[in-house]
Amino acid sequence: DAKTTQPTSMDCAEGRAANLPCNHSTISGNEYVYWYRQIHSQGPQYIIHGLKNNETNEMASLIITEDRKSSTLILPHATLRDTAVYYCIVRVVGGNEKLTFGTGTRLTIIP
Amino acid sequence: DAGVIQSPRHEVTEMGQEVTLRCKPISGHNSLFWYRQTMMRGLELLIYFNNNVPIDDSGMPEDRFSAKMPNASFSTLKIQPSEPRDSAVYFCASSYRQGSNQPQHFGDGTRLSIL
Repeated sequence: DAKTTQPTSMDCAEGRAANLPCNHSTISGNEYVYWYRQIHSQGPQYIIHGLKNNETNEMASLIITEDRKSSTLILPHATLRDTAVYYCIVRVVGGNEKLTFGTGTRLTIIP
Repeated sequence: DAGVIQSPRHEVTEMGQEVTLRCKPISGHNSLFWYRQTMMRGLELLIYFNNNVPIDDSGMPEDRFSAKMPNASFSTLKIQPSEPRDSAVYFCASSYRQGSNQPQHFGDGTRLSIL
């Protein structure tokens, strides 16, 4: 699976949009981008995933660049409960199903 | 809907004892995964099953670790004998349909402390 690169940490003001970038420049055509987050002491929580089109659900939006080498997770109106470590993971579909977690981005929402 | 259920939530035991962690996947899911999280190594896959059959156990640290999935609704991860370095949070996850893009959903984990 392709490697991902994320900033170590970010801050965002409560109520503002949080934009979390992820670089996956070696992604291949059959690899999806998945985003998870982990709030302290809890299991990783699935947020959203996509292949090449932008995706939106009740939690977030995922913007994937046209060349698919990077993506951005957008939390439209961040709340204090969004403080967590966010993981961007690339996984091939149809192959080994394991998720390879990096170190993620520690997002802190500031009141 | 019930999510992935793990038990116990916390386990404290002495070195050398047998430890059994349990997982009930989401109903209808046919892939099950065991992960371990430590400060040093982060989150890493230990083993996963498709349709109750182990597919990739390359992450299992050594022979002291074993995992079984006797049916579609239950899996165990056993450590025998346990050692202090096994202290970690162990997560179970499940997903729907092998080979699909469906995401894995995680339980809340078992926090294991080996004294």
